[in-house]
Amino acid sequence: EVQLVESGGGLVQPGGSLRLSCAASGFTFSNYWMKWVRQAPGKGLEWVANIKEDESEKYYVDSVKGRFTISRDNAKNSVYLQMNSLRVEDTAVYYCARDSGLDYWGQGTLVTVSS
Amino acid sequence: QAVVTQEPSLTVSPGGTVTLTCGSSTGAVSRGHRPFWLQQKPGQAPTTLIYNVDIKHSWTPARFSGSLLGGKAALTLSGAQPEDEADYYCLLLYSGPWVFGGGTRLTVL
Repeated sequence: EVQLVESGGGLVQPGGSLRLSCAASGFTFSNYWMKWVRQAPGKGLEWVANIKEDESEKYYVDSVKGRFTISRDNAKNSVYLQMNSLRVEDTAVYYCARDSGLDYWGQGTLVTVSS
Repeated sequence: QAVVTQEPSLTVSPGGTVTLTCGSSTGAVSRGHRPFWLQQKPGQAPTTLIYNVDIKHSWTPARFSGSLLGGKAALTLSGAQPEDEADYYCLLLYSGPWVFGGGTRLTVL
């Protein structure tokens, strides 16, 4: 059974950092692009970042460029989102998803940026 | 980055048919944009119904279909059921970055 489990969310002050993790199981992780998508409270979905199977390609939404870094460890079947210089507007539930028709999603982890 | 537009809200009668659309600020939506359609119900993670214009996942009810229509991506629901009441999002690819539409709240009433 394919599973994606996010972790690492929490409350952080503006300007702070968090590292989100997404642990994958039930499939050959190294064969798939992965995505991070977020959803601010009461708002729509926003694509955040993508990473290719071998990390050779990474893409980011403009609002996080230079602050967020997507990475992966295929030996640990995990994808990460390092978030620095966090802003209030980064408050959201962060989902990871398998980029094969976006067929599998995690349940999300909540990041709250507030003083 | 590009802006993807969707109807903010639509209403359909039970058993009725409705079409949701997805437009792009850069021009006509094409297969190259690999349009996705996702459904999200309150308190739940999204579920992908359609990808690459018209390909369904195994769990996608047959009453949902995707197409390109008049320069936009379209999601047609034929024979709406009460459980189809949800938010629907389209997602387009722009040569690397992806962009979601703002979502359509579909009411079955």
